[in-house]
Amino acid sequence: AQSVAQPEDQVNVAEGNPLTVKCTYSVSGNPYLFWYVQYPNRGLQFLLKYITGDNLVKGSYGFEAEFNKSQTSFHLKKPSALVSDSALYFCAVRPPGYNKLIFGAGTRLAVHP
Amino acid sequence: DTGVSQDPRHKITKRGQNVTFRCDPISEHNRLYWYRQTLGQGPEFLTYFQNEAQLEKSRLLSDRFSAERPKGSFSTLEIQRTEQGDSAMYLCASSRTGVNGEKLFFGSGTQLSVL
Repeated sequence: AQSVAQPEDQVNVAEGNPLTVKCTYSVSGNPYLFWYVQYPNRGLQFLLKYITGDNLVKGSYGFEAEFNKSQTSFHLKKPSALVSDSALYFCAVRPPGYNKLIFGAGTRLAVHP
Repeated sequence: DTGVSQDPRHKITKRGQNVTFRCDPISEHNRLYWYRQTLGQGPEFLTYFQNEAQLEKSRLLSDRFSAERPKGSFSTLEIQRTEQGDSAMYLCASSRTGVNGEKLFFGSGTQLSVL
């Protein structure tokens, strides 16, 4: 079955430190990969996507993600965390030939001053 | 780009009642999706439309659920004979075919509580 795993329910990081939110997937072929962020009382917002090409993709708000085909991972990263980055982050995949996204369960990021 | 709007934001209903939600996508987007999200979980795909055609329905979508997009613009999701297990956030998203990667734009959702 096609699936997305976000192994950490919550990630805690101090402001100014680098952050990583992990994502692995189990999908046949070469899927499109996405990260979305959800702030309280707001809809999911697109952060970045990987389709093809450079394994490091840059997105909104200083976030980037690294695609690793051999490990089937797509970890979200940011060099220096801000308190305002605190939110719920979702990894998603679009399998080849599908017109829908499959989401992970989400990881809550808490950035402490 | 006024974004995806959903109405109502919140709906409280009694078990057995019917409810209907509305979604207005971004105007130039031809694809419209419905997802359901419960606490502690990621969004789960329910169904999607390309223009007015409903092209895919999840097995999660029981016979009590029906969705329409009559003119290829707004969409409605109706749940008949609601059950407590239907309590969730119902999310609508839209996209445009062929635009690189087809990222989805989500509305703020309709929170359904079935008492």
